[in-house]
Amino acid sequence: NAGVTQTPKFQVLKTGQSMTLQCAQDMNHEYMSWYRQDPGMGLRLIHYSVGAGITDQGEVPNGYNVSRSTTEDFPLRLLSAAPSQTSVYFCASSWTSSGDSYNSPLHFGNGTRLTVT
Amino acid sequence: AQKITQTQPGMFVQEKEAVTLDCTYDTSDPSYGLFWYKQPSSGEMIFLIYQGSYDQQNATEGRYSLNFQKARKSANLVISASQLGDSAMYFCAMRGRGSTLGRLYFGRGTQLTVWP
Repeated sequence: NAGVTQTPKFQVLKTGQSMTLQCAQDMNHEYMSWYRQDPGMGLRLIHYSVGAGITDQGEVPNGYNVSRSTTEDFPLRLLSAAPSQTSVYFCASSWTSSGDSYNSPLHFGNGTRLTVT
Repeated sequence: AQKITQTQPGMFVQEKEAVTLDCTYDTSDPSYGLFWYKQPSSGEMIFLIYQGSYDQQNATEGRYSLNFQKARKSANLVISASQLGDSAMYFCAMRGRGSTLGRLYFGRGTQLTVWP
C-alpha cells in the first residue's frame, strides 16, 4: 500500500543549487501534480500532468521544471534554488484527467520540507 | 472561479464530543466534488471524505460525515465521538468539472484541538 511516495523528506539547499524532488505512485493514476504549501498562502499548484509525456504549468511554475516519462513518476526539478522556494512540497495524484476528474480525490505524498539558505 | 471559505481558524472540542467544521464554497460549475483533508502535525495530507454535487445523500466514512446543503453551498464536516488523535488541521477542498488545470481548490483550514 505505498500510494504516493516522495523523497527526500527534508532537504537544505544553498541559493543557486539545483535538485530534484522525486515522486512515484503505484495506483496507475493518470493525473499527477505538485503543490507547495506556505503559511498564509495555502496550497498552490506548481505543475501538473495528465499522462505520460504531457505536462503543463500550474499557477506558480517559475523556477521549476517537470517531466513525465512514465505513468508512475513525476519528478520536480528546482533549477537554481532561491530562498523564496523554501516551502513544503506535495506531490498528489488522482484517477482521471478527463472531465470526470471532479469526483476523484487527490492522494498526497507525505511532503518534502525544503529550506533554501 | 472557484472559492472555498473556512471561517473558523480554530476549534476546540472535548474528547468523545461531536464537532462541526464549517465550509462554504462558490462555483459556477454544475458538477463538482467536495473533499475534506486532515493534516496532522506530522505534515501529511490525509483524504477523509468526498461528496459529489449530484449526490442526494450526505457522505459518511466511519466517524466522519459531510453535511451537504447544496442550496446554501455549504459542506460542513461533522466528526462524531472526537478522539485525541483528531487534533489536526482540516482543509475543505473542491474540484469542479471545469476546474482549471484539474486543480483542487483549498480553504485556509481549521485547526482542531481535542482536549481530554
